[in-house]
Formats: sequence, C-alpha cells, structure tokens
Amino acid sequence: DAGITQSPRHKVTETGTPVTLRCHQTENHRYMYWYRQDPGHGLRLIHYSYGVKDTDKGEVSDGYSVSRSKTEDFLLTLESATSSQTSVYFCAISEGVDNEQFFGPGTRLTVL
Amino acid sequence: GENVEQHPSTLSVQEGDSAVIKCTYSDSASNYFPWYKQELGKRPQLIIDIRSNVGEKKDQRIAVTLNKTAKHFSLHITETQPEDSAVYFCAARPYNNNDMRFGAGTRLTVKP
Repeated sequence: DAGITQSPRHKVTETGTPVTLRCHQTENHRYMYWYRQDPGHGLRLIHYSYGVKDTDKGEVSDGYSVSRSKTEDFLLTLESATSSQTSVYFCAISEGVDNEQFFGPGTRLTVL
Repeated sequence: GENVEQHPSTLSVQEGDSAVIKCTYSDSASNYFPWYKQELGKRPQLIIDIRSNVGEKKDQRIAVTLNKTAKHFSLHITETQPEDSAVYFCAARPYNNNDMRFGAGTRLTVKP
C-alpha cells in the first residue's frame, strides 16, 4: 500500500459538533482527494487539492471544507456535523491529475 | 458532469466461471477508465485501467474492453476464484480533470 494514513479510523460524534479528519501521505504526491462512500453511490468526490493551499470543490462539497498547509497533510472539516454526513471517508493521492489514485484505509464517521 | 452507471449490482458465479461487469458513461470527454476492487472493510485498490486510445487491455485473468462510440466499458474476469469475491467499482474521468466519477459498485460472489 502507498504511504497513506488516515486519522481517526473511527469516530462517533453528535449533530452540530465540528469534526476534522486527517489524511497524511509520505509519497510526496502533488494531488490529494477526499471521497465519501455510501451504499448505492460508490465513491463521490468531496474536495481535492492540487498543491499546498490549492484546493477545489468536488461533486458533493456542501457542508465540508478542506485545508492543505503542507504537501503531506490534507484535512477535511465538517463545521457542524449532520446525520447525513454519516459515511466512510477515503483519502486518495496521485502524482499527477492523469495518474492512478491510491486510497487510504478510510475513516468511518457516525453522526448521531 | 459525468454520470457512470454500473450493472449488475450483484453477481454470483461458480468458481472457474467467467464474470462480466458493465459500465456506461455520459461524457464523451472522458478518456480514463479505471476499475477498483474493494474487499470487505478494506480500501479500494486499482486492478486495471484503460485509456481511450486503446480498445482492450489484459492482465492475466482480468481484461477490460472499451467502446468509445457506445460509451461503455466492461471488466472481464476469467477462471474466477473465491478470492475474487469483492465489490468492484468502475470509474470515468475526463482528460486533465480531477473529477473522477464512480459507478455504484458490483458485489461479486464466487462460490466454491
């Protein structure tokens, strides 16, 4: 597996609380992505980054923000978690926009 | 944006038989089509991919075919084994674009 870690791996939180998920890579890849995975929907892109401080929205970005202050770290923040954000969140990395994406181990988030 | 449909949603085959999973896409600009395998509780992992300048690609028991005119591509697994049991996702992405769209997934079960 590519050098990608996610933390935490599991989290249970309450509606309305802020949550931050972290993705850390040791591959020095330029591109980083956050996806959510829900039954019947496959993987859907939330946000991505194409460099330090360079980010853009994906298909399902509402309710989420991201930050990338270092090449190796990409943070996903839910400012005020809702039950609809209960999901499994995967981080991915790639060398270039047209290269293979490697996925992290995932974070299971439950919002009660 | 791109829309990817994947069929069937579940597929059960006997060990040794072949399995075929089909995907259609809507955006004629898409030119990269990866297939991911995800075992229960694990991260998605790339098993094969194809770009629009070729019509078929093989890797041992796995092959992918692409029909650009009809906008569909398929995954073929021959001589299936129990360890092939997993969820398979197709995806499509336009050239030089980070917005990769995934199909909803196919749960393949290979019965011994």
